[in-house]
Amino acid sequence: KNEVEQSPQNLTAQEGEFITINCSYSVGISALHWLQQHPGGGIVSLFMLSSGKKKHGRLIATINIQEKHSSLHITASHPRDSAVYICAAPESYNTDKLIFGTGTRLQVFP
Amino acid sequence: NAGVTQTPKFQVLKTGQSMTLQCAQDMNHNSMYWYRQDPGMGLRLIYYSASEGTTDKGEVPNGYNVSRLNKREFSLRLESAAPSQTSVYFCASSEDIGGSPYYGYTFGSGTRLTVV
Repeated sequence: KNEVEQSPQNLTAQEGEFITINCSYSVGISALHWLQQHPGGGIVSLFMLSSGKKKHGRLIATINIQEKHSSLHITASHPRDSAVYICAAPESYNTDKLIFGTGTRLQVFP
Repeated sequence: NAGVTQTPKFQVLKTGQSMTLQCAQDMNHNSMYWYRQDPGMGLRLIYYSASEGTTDKGEVPNGYNVSRLNKREFSLRLESAAPSQTSVYFCASSEDIGGSPYYGYTFGSGTRLTVV
């Protein structure tokens, strides 16, 4: 069964800084998910990626399948990026049941 | 708006009471899930349904039952609530092909449940 670890647990930044959140997993997977949980509690799917890199606005997600490692980057961070970022990987290869990391709480100050 | 609708948003129960959390999605997804989220822990799967009429236990199924009434609806029932079931509950759905979710997950807005 997969184990998912995220780092750091907490992150503070000044507006404009480049942010990196890391995720590692233990079992080979078909795709990894990055999610954002807003302060109000809602969860939004940001990325699902199986190789290489995906970009959406100021968010970039990368994955190295061989290293079993993924990163989420935020360029030019803004206070509205303050949220909990969660990575999740399938329990095992080719299942859609996910194992979630405990999340990285990001606070961006003006 | 298309998505996952979860009700209620908040609920307080007394120990021993029962309740059903409702979830419906209008994206024609096959897979639906119930998760609980507790402080300091990742989301944990309670039950899972790969298609209408099928359900599977997840990591923490004890004290819960589910019903996949049709493709749209997946309900979670607490028959006799306990303080340990105080948590935030999320319903989610995903499309999947061949067992791999190609299209990502969509989450409901969550239910904050307190059992006193």
